[in-house]
Amino acid sequence: EAEVAQSPRYKITEKSQAVAFWCDPISGHATLYWYRQILGQGPELLVQFQDESVVDDSQLPKDRFSAERLKGVDSTLKIQPAELGDSAMYLCASSLQGLAGGGNEQFFGPGTRLTVL
Amino acid sequence: GNSVTQMEGPVTLSEEAFLTINCTYTATGYPSLFWYVQYPGEGLQLLLKATKADDKGSNKGFEATYRKETTSFHLEKGSVQVSDSAVYFCALSAFTGNQFYFGTGTSLTVIP
Repeated sequence: EAEVAQSPRYKITEKSQAVAFWCDPISGHATLYWYRQILGQGPELLVQFQDESVVDDSQLPKDRFSAERLKGVDSTLKIQPAELGDSAMYLCASSLQGLAGGGNEQFFGPGTRLTVL
Repeated sequence: GNSVTQMEGPVTLSEEAFLTINCTYTATGYPSLFWYVQYPGEGLQLLLKATKADDKGSNKGFEATYRKETTSFHLEKGSVQVSDSAVYFCALSAFTGNQFYFGTGTSLTVIP
């Protein structure tokens, strides 16, 4: 069964360092999402891509976070510099359709657990 | 705007007990509704979904009915097992853009 891949699974870093997370969506899925999930809360959308274009990054802290999906396939989320408050689970998801209509299941990867010391 | 309000936990039940987790929503237009489950240290997995009013989603003994008149999508299971221990998230998807809005999650622990 096709899955969303993420790496690394765990990342420990010191504040002010740079970190990067990678996501490979299910083949053929045009829409890719990055979420941040703080312990005990639901996922919050950081950025949504349709192919290689950003369609929603209104909740992305752009002074320190960046995301790209250069060829419309895999994606990288970067934080520079990391802060203590960035400690969370970072989830990637993908779906077949985005802009053209809703109701499509989002498939989630296993996540990257980030700890900032 | 779009939002989901979910019953707060944690919920602790004995094995074979009946489960209800309440979920209500606010949405513009006609959203699709979902329940996802998250096991410790893992990502979210789709449990069930409903895409229009009066639809019933079901999977692994879990059920939820899309009630437009009460804007609700409550999750139920007749007899829970220890293996059902997890965090359950209610979510809605706006019709355009497929953006998801998640509830805060309800932690369920089932004891033997």
